[in-house]
Amino acid sequence: DGGITQSPKYLFRKEGQNVTLSCEQNLNHDAMYWYRQDPGQGLRLIYYSQIVNDFQKGDIAEGYSVSREKKESFPLTVTSAQKNPTAFYLCASKPGLAGIETQYFGPGTRLLVL
Amino acid sequence: GESVGLHLPTLSVQEGDNSIINCAYSNSASDYFIWYKQESGKGPQFIIDIRSNMDKRQGQRVTVLLNKTVKHLSLQIAATQPGDSAVYFCAENMGYTSGTYKYIFGTGTRLKVLA
Repeated sequence: DGGITQSPKYLFRKEGQNVTLSCEQNLNHDAMYWYRQDPGQGLRLIYYSQIVNDFQKGDIAEGYSVSREKKESFPLTVTSAQKNPTAFYLCASKPGLAGIETQYFGPGTRLLVL
Repeated sequence: GESVGLHLPTLSVQEGDNSIINCAYSNSASDYFIWYKQESGKGPQFIIDIRSNMDKRQGQRVTVLLNKTVKHLSLQIAATQPGDSAVYFCAENMGYTSGTYKYIFGTGTRLKVLA
């Protein structure tokens, strides 16, 4: 998992509840990403951040929010506005802002709705 | 364990044989490609990468081939072992789009190694 930790491993959400997924990296990477993984689909980008205190929407940002107050941390909040939150959530990071750089992934958090 | 893809194409290979997993990518301008391995319930693990100015790159027991003419990428695993059983997917770097370098990820192929 290359220095990227995600917690919890499993998370249960009640209807109408906001939940926050943690992502921490000790790789000194500038860029961090959140992806959603659903069965039979490729990873889809939710949000990304290239620098502290800055983040941008990805392809499926609706119903999610993020913050980047520290370089090593990029938490994702799944809000009650996300109507289909059940999925496997993956956090990733890469060293900088260049194109030809490898993204490394955390172990993932599985979110389930009660 | 959790499944990352319920209806993925599956490649079944006898232990000790070579495996070839294929990926068609979408953008002829993509200049960097990665292969990942994902075991059930875990995050993707980097295997090998290749830049568009190369057509072949070798690692330990793995080789990636890039055919830009037909936009095709393949991963070859030599002497496949039970521990190689996983879902494998490719990622292409789409270039600079909307303020960042975006990756597009394939849906993956499930590799089953038969003892």
